[in-house]
Amino acid sequence: GENVEQHPSTLSVQEGDSAVIKCTYSDSASNYFPWYKQELGKRPQLIIDIRSNVGEKKDQRIAVTLNKTAKHFSLHITETQPEDSAVYFCAASINGNNRLAFGKGNQVVVIP
Amino acid sequence: DAEITQSPRHKITETGRQVTLACHQTWNHNNMFWYRQDLGHGLRLIHYSYGVQDTNKGEVSDGYSVSRSNTEDLPLTLESAASSQTSVYFCASSEYRGNEQFFGPGTRLTVL
Repeated sequence: GENVEQHPSTLSVQEGDSAVIKCTYSDSASNYFPWYKQELGKRPQLIIDIRSNVGEKKDQRIAVTLNKTAKHFSLHITETQPEDSAVYFCAASINGNNRLAFGKGNQVVVIP
Repeated sequence: DAEITQSPRHKITETGRQVTLACHQTWNHNNMFWYRQDLGHGLRLIHYSYGVQDTNKGEVSDGYSVSRSNTEDLPLTLESAASSQTSVYFCASSEYRGNEQFFGPGTRLTVL
């Protein structure tokens, strides 16, 4: 089945710097790759997603890049702010259908 | 506004008891999912449903069951609660052909 791995597990950045989280996946049939942000005690919320026919997508300070050949995708957060501190989960669709396999999450800490 | 809700939000039960967690969505989504979230494991799929009368096992389904008698609800039942089932449980839903999953607020279950 699909295996999704995230690196690093914890990332600390100075406010204003950029943060990059990388995920790898194993299923070549995966065609949908979302990123979720989860604040402490809250539900996961979608922040950006990308489909396999696109290499990059940007929304204000966040962007996602996809390399299908290498089977990895990355979340980029620029000009980080304290409110960016959270756990970020990547996911990949399983067998191209509606199920998702999630990574174990990255704790991002933005230091003021 | 359309939404997805879970009840109860917190539950303490004893080993061996049957427990049912409710999930209700008003988006008329065909797809519904149950996940458990544990530290170090991310989100793991328990059961999922693609429509009324359809249920499928996920990667950690042992000890859990679901039923789908209507579009709006997918209750999760722990047949005989075990301490290993202490966790935070999230329900999610998505459109028939969509991938984006919307999460409920979660239920924190403690089995003593």
